[in-house]
Amino acid sequence: SQTIHQWPATLVQPVGSPLSLECTVEGTSNPNLYWYRQAAGRGLQLLFYSIGIGQISSEVPQNLSASRPQDRQFILSSKKLLLSDSGFYLCAWSITGTETQYFGPGTRLLVL
Amino acid sequence: AQSVTQLDSHVSVSEGTPVLLRCNYSSSYSPSLFWYVQHPNKGLQLLLKYTSAATLVKGINGFEAEFKKSETSFHLTKPSAHMSDAAEYFCVGYTGTASKLTFGTGTRLQVTL
Repeated sequence: SQTIHQWPATLVQPVGSPLSLECTVEGTSNPNLYWYRQAAGRGLQLLFYSIGIGQISSEVPQNLSASRPQDRQFILSSKKLLLSDSGFYLCAWSITGTETQYFGPGTRLLVL
Repeated sequence: AQSVTQLDSHVSVSEGTPVLLRCNYSSSYSPSLFWYVQHPNKGLQLLLKYTSAATLVKGINGFEAEFKKSETSFHLTKPSAHMSDAAEYFCVGYTGTASKLTFGTGTRLQVTL
């Protein structure tokens, strides 16, 4: 069966510090991968998606970036965090060509 | 533009009473619709999905949803609420592009004794 992991679970970072969140998927190959942000009391916003290694599409302009160095690894990064980057970050995967997405447990990021 | 609209931001029911969470979709959508549930500080879990095979879709934990094309609705129901059902529920549509989904704004379900 497939599983998706995210770490860390919780992170508190000062403004201006770098960020690296990791997401890995097991039990499948060549998945589509997604990063979402969920701000407090709001819905989900798609940040990035990837259909293959090194192929990243950005949905919204921001100071975040994403990379996919391996087939089942998706990384969300920032060189300098802003207060507005605080939120709950969710990674998801889907089988290529299908609609259903499966979500990881999420990372709670607090920027102070 | 394609969209899904959740009509209630907050619903409160008593334990043991029926649950109704409402969702309307735009008529230009492909017929793939989902309901996800999110418990506090957790990821989203798929409850059920509609893909045109049957208009009444049964999901996990006793939930079901009915696709009504004439009303462009996909409401989520459960005959009897449990305390463990208290969570945020998202109605989601499929855009048809790179498996990208469009999320409703969510409905918070509160279950009281």
